[in-house]
Amino acid sequence: QKEVEQNSGPLSVPEGAIASLNCTYSDRGSQSFFWYRQYSGKSPELIMFIYSNGDKEDGRFTAQLNKASQYVSLLIRDSQPSDSATYLCAVTGNRDDKIIFGKGTRLHILP
Amino acid sequence: SAVISQKPSRDICQRGTSLTIQCQVDSQVTMMFWYRQQPGQSLTLIATANQGSEATYESGFVIDKFPISRPNLTFSTLTVSNMSPEDSSIYLCSVEGHWNTEAFFGQGTRLTVV
Repeated sequence: QKEVEQNSGPLSVPEGAIASLNCTYSDRGSQSFFWYRQYSGKSPELIMFIYSNGDKEDGRFTAQLNKASQYVSLLIRDSQPSDSATYLCAVTGNRDDKIIFGKGTRLHILP
Repeated sequence: SAVISQKPSRDICQRGTSLTIQCQVDSQVTMMFWYRQQPGQSLTLIATANQGSEATYESGFVIDKFPISRPNLTFSTLTVSNMSPEDSSIYLCSVEGHWNTEAFFGQGTRLTVV
């Protein structure tokens, strides 16, 4: 069974520091990787996606993918209190495959 | 990304009753997805709804319990039938994105069964 694993947290990070969120996945054939942010009581919001090994940067966010290690991470630079949320890692294989979500990591940015 | 409107946003229902959740998209999409997110848990796919065909259900979910309609390319409904407290959850409608891989979500329906 395909699985996506995340540390549930909470992960507490001081404001202005770098928050590092990690995710591992079991299906070596996975091809697309996503990070969603979910505020309490709200629906998930896509913030990053990555398909190729290496780093992908978008503003304060950097996604990192290592397919050999089956590992994907999200770095948030200059963390802000508004970044406090649950971050869901999601993985899919081919285009018609369903998306598998991790349970999410709760991030708390300390003012 | 598509704008997805889902309603109701929340409801409290008596056990044994049914609730129909509606999902409206501002553009035509081939596939629509229904997820459940139980407290403290991740998102679990219930079924995939394609226009003009029967929905495809994931393991553990059946049509009698979660009937789905997809009358056109912009609308779908999910019914939670014969509800029990175990059905208390957030139900989310989702559509695929431009690259047909990522998912975008409606606002969700928070269902409480008493």
